[in-house]
Amino acid sequence: SQQGEEDPQALSIQEGENATMNCSYKTSINNLQWYRQNSGRGLVHLILIRSNEREKHSGRLRVTLDTSKKSSSLLITASRAADTASYFCATDPLGSARQLTFGSGTQLTVLP
Amino acid sequence: SQTIHQWPATLVQPVGSPLSLECTVEGTSNPNLYWYRQAAGRGLQLLFYSVGIGQISSEVPQNLSASRPQDRQFILSSKKLLLSDSGFYLCASDSGGGSSYNEQFFGPGTRLTVL
Repeated sequence: SQQGEEDPQALSIQEGENATMNCSYKTSINNLQWYRQNSGRGLVHLILIRSNEREKHSGRLRVTLDTSKKSSSLLITASRAADTASYFCATDPLGSARQLTFGSGTQLTVLP
Repeated sequence: SQTIHQWPATLVQPVGSPLSLECTVEGTSNPNLYWYRQAAGRGLQLLFYSVGIGQISSEVPQNLSASRPQDRQFILSSKKLLLSDSGFYLCASDSGGGSSYNEQFFGPGTRLTVL
């Protein structure tokens, strides 16, 4: 079963707006990661946040983690058409022997 | 960083035919290797992972098998393909036991269509 579930499933915004995607998970984790996938391509790692961190920034990306609510959010500020892609959260559950469990993804479309 | 090579990029095979997808890794030693399958518009399903040569763990019972004949080579196989084997297959690697963080690097994927 999927550990992480993204919300919304699809999101369409105008260029320049901010995009927020959410991820919920079920069990305790070592860390949570966000990945991006362009259509028909492999996934690219964006950012990792550890279970003892609450917020992390990387360029236009901001990730938050609330372990009490078992949820995370990914914020992309000042979106660009090139940000159009699917975004997945992946959790590293405690005791998982380093395996990641991926959510079903959010399809983000940024309109020019 | 690591580079993951996968081939072929696309493959169309008849039901009942064999399958061999290959994945090789550059830029790291002793990686953990993973095979995932992705249905259209869905997330990733972990099929197999390997922590070392000849060590394969299967996550789901299925018509597929995996092998790791060399440290940086991972092969996905089937003796007889089923229609349900169609999908997008992704190979991934992380840094193995030497790293505290297990971010994964992905190959470009193979689109398999079974007719």
